[in-house]
Amino acid sequence: NAGVTQTPKFQVLKTGQSMTLQCAQDMNHEYMSWYRQDPGMGLRLIHYSVGAGITDQGEVPNGYNVSRSTTEDFPLRLLSAAPSQTSVYFCASSYSGDGTDTQYFGPGTRLTVL
Amino acid sequence: EDQVTQSPEALRLQEGESSSLNCSYTVSGLRGLFWYRQDPGKGPEFLFTLYSAGEEKEKERLKATLTKKESFLHITAPKPEDSATYLCAVRSNDYKLSFGAGTTVTVRA
Repeated sequence: NAGVTQTPKFQVLKTGQSMTLQCAQDMNHEYMSWYRQDPGMGLRLIHYSVGAGITDQGEVPNGYNVSRSTTEDFPLRLLSAAPSQTSVYFCASSYSGDGTDTQYFGPGTRLTVL
Repeated sequence: EDQVTQSPEALRLQEGESSSLNCSYTVSGLRGLFWYRQDPGKGPEFLFTLYSAGEEKEKERLKATLTKKESFLHITAPKPEDSATYLCAVRSNDYKLSFGAGTTVTVRA
């Protein structure tokens, strides 16, 4: 199993540009989520999904969109990039997300918005 | 609102010098407390899950314990390869995971 994969690994955008961060998992996990990690602040939840066709907002959803058309994929879209979105983004998945199972994280995407 | 506070922010140890990391939390109904290890430039890697006060889990030189208000990660006789950032997270009744800012451990040979 490849586990959780993310692409790209690095990305530089200009303010106002849009882009999609890709996330895929091959473990047949129902629960997937996106986090951003900023220095001194820990990981913060952006959006999450409990299954295909179902998504919900996390702690910091503004400026981001998600969709979940398949169990395997959970892309994160930046609608109009802002310097405040400079961060490292992690995708994670777990079997059910009910609090008893482990979340597995991808390697991250380092995004810089100029 | 769930809160997770980790201390200290950074810890420098000599090889073999045991120490403990603290994770204090406030949560509306604890469904699980998680410890992760994160190496530079990589995603968090799962270490332990604790569910109830009094529970303990061990893995090699690491031991995690849980009380009603905090968790400790004890590192016994650390080696340089234990150098990493250790993250604590709690999952409450709404199933969302709240993370602390982490403790960066550096072990010198």
